[in-house]
Amino acid sequence: GENVEQHPSTLSVQEGDSAVIKCTYSDSASNYFPWYKQELGKRPQLIIDIRSNVGEKKDQRIAVTLNKTAKHFSLHITETQPEDSAVYFCAASTAGANNLFFGTGTRLTVIP
Amino acid sequence: DSGVTQTPKHLITATGQRVTLRCSPRSGDLSVYWYQQSLDQGLQFLIQYYNGEERAKGNILERFSAQQFPDLHSELNLSSLELGDSALYFCASSQRAAAYEQYFGPGTRLTVT
Repeated sequence: GENVEQHPSTLSVQEGDSAVIKCTYSDSASNYFPWYKQELGKRPQLIIDIRSNVGEKKDQRIAVTLNKTAKHFSLHITETQPEDSAVYFCAASTAGANNLFFGTGTRLTVIP
Repeated sequence: DSGVTQTPKHLITATGQRVTLRCSPRSGDLSVYWYQQSLDQGLQFLIQYYNGEERAKGNILERFSAQQFPDLHSELNLSSLELGDSALYFCASSQRAAAYEQYFGPGTRLTVT
């Protein structure tokens, strides 16, 4: 089955700086790559997703890039704010599959 | 608010007992997914139902079972509970059978003592 690896496991940045979280996947047939943000004790929240027919997608301060050849995708957060502090999970799904395969999460801390 | 509801919010029970967790998907969503999240762990996929039928199975123990009813709400039954079953249990819903755009409910925190 699909295997998703996520790095780093923890990330601390100063407020206003950028943060980048990277994920790799194993199955070249994967075609859907969402990112979830989970604050402590709360539900995972879908923040952005990308499909394999595009290389980049942006939504205000967050963007996701996809490199199908290298089988990796990344989340970029610019102008970080303290409220961006959370655990971020990447995931991947193979065409025709009925479930997401999640990475192990990155704990992002934005220092005011 | 994702539109997905889960009850109860918290559940405390003893080892060996059986509990039922309930999930109502967003209006219009036909798929329900169940996930387990242990302390400081990632999200482990358990099982998926689409329009009343089981569609995919993940790391679900034999002591656990689920079903989706005609009104599309779903229940996850956990029996012969062990201490290690203590976790957050999330359900998520999506419109289609494929895993796109899953929206999570607030979760049920299960504590087994």
